[in-house]
Amino acid sequence: EAGVVQSPRYKIIEKKQPVAFWCNPISGHNTLYWYRQNLGQGPELLIRYENEEAVDDSQLPKDRFSAERLKGVDSTLKIQPAELGDSAVYLCASSASGAYNEQFFGPGTRLTVL
Amino acid sequence: DAKTTQPNSMESNEEEPVHLPCNHSTISGTDYIHWYRQLPSQGPEYVIHGLTSNVNNRMASLAIAEDRKSSTLILHRATLRDAAVYYCIRGSQGNLIFGKGTKLSVKP
Repeated sequence: EAGVVQSPRYKIIEKKQPVAFWCNPISGHNTLYWYRQNLGQGPELLIRYENEEAVDDSQLPKDRFSAERLKGVDSTLKIQPAELGDSAVYLCASSASGAYNEQFFGPGTRLTVL
Repeated sequence: DAKTTQPNSMESNEEEPVHLPCNHSTISGTDYIHWYRQLPSQGPEYVIHGLTSNVNNRMASLAIAEDRKSSTLILHRATLRDAAVYYCIRGSQGNLIFGKGTKLSVKP
């Protein structure tokens, strides 16, 4: 069974440019998460979806970040415009419905903003 | 603060047991304790989780203190492939709140 797929794996952009990350969760997983991981830190949750509904986006910087999961399957996270401080690894995870089910993480997208 | 407290780093010898401690003194009665680990250049992977009782699975054991203010992840025989950052995580309102974790080094 395929795991969580993310693309691209690496992205280098200049500040003020837009960028988008894509995630395809494990088949049948209704819950999808986006995390940001800064160097030397643990992942921080940005947004959690239950099917197509964003049930927790309290940590998403809404002035520049947006996310969607239109059909309750794959998801896109966008940053516009990117800032230097956005350089990080962006991780997507999925789990079966229900609180605290095991989360399966993708390999992440490493974003570098110059 | 919902984050847990762990040592920054630990070392172990290959094929010896490893005990990774974690403090979560402000945990509430319904918060689970989760452990994930992250190998270099990979996303975190699930290790184990528990609420009150000790738990065992094929990867590790989790010992939770009776007052639930601390727990210990036990790797029974460390291998070189166990070298990773281990995160002790307190579950809160359905979310996992990661701290900085413990970087485990395994010496051959």
